[in-house]
Amino acid sequence: SQKIEQNSEALNIQEGKTATLTCNYTNYSPAYLQWYRQDPGRGPVFLLLIRENEKEKRKERLKVTFDTTLKQSLFHITASQPADSATYLCALRNNDMRFGAGTRLTVKP
Amino acid sequence: NAGVMQNPRHLVRRRGQEARLRCSPMKGHSHVYWYRQLPEEGLKFMVYLQKENIIDESGMPKERFSAEFPKEGPSILRIQQVVRGDSAAYFCASSPSRDGNTIYFGEGSWLTVV
Repeated sequence: SQKIEQNSEALNIQEGKTATLTCNYTNYSPAYLQWYRQDPGRGPVFLLLIRENEKEKRKERLKVTFDTTLKQSLFHITASQPADSATYLCALRNNDMRFGAGTRLTVKP
Repeated sequence: NAGVMQNPRHLVRRRGQEARLRCSPMKGHSHVYWYRQLPEEGLKFMVYLQKENIIDESGMPKERFSAEFPKEGPSILRIQQVVRGDSAAYFCASSPSRDGNTIYFGEGSWLTVV
């Protein structure tokens, strides 16, 4: 069966450090992978999309890698800030869009 | 340029009543997705609809739940004879097409069954 696994339920880091979140998938052959951010009581918000032929994508302090051989994406937030504290979700599209369970990131001042 | 609009934001129902959740997609979007999120859990796909068609309802419980997206008006997620286990946040998202890369979420409808 198809699975999307984000291997950390929660990640706590110190302000200024780099946060690295992992997304692994099985039984998908995605053309692209996406990352979303969700704050408590709010809907998810799209952050980044990376295509299968792209190894790396950057947007300001965010960096995403996509390894279709390992079936894994890494999501990095550099120079993290307390405002980055949220749950981060990876998503894959087959017919519809499916999400991982998310990793709750807490950045401590 | 309004985003995805969901209403009501909060709904309280007694066991056995019906809950109707509405979703107006972004302007120009003809594809709608419904997800359920239980406290401290991830988003669970329920149903994917295009105007007047259900594309994929593989995540929808077989009984009591139904969804529609009529030619005119919002998409509706209907839960009949609600039970306490239906208490959750229900999120709607939309995209402009079937191959739309990104889907855009509303702020959710929180259903509480008492």
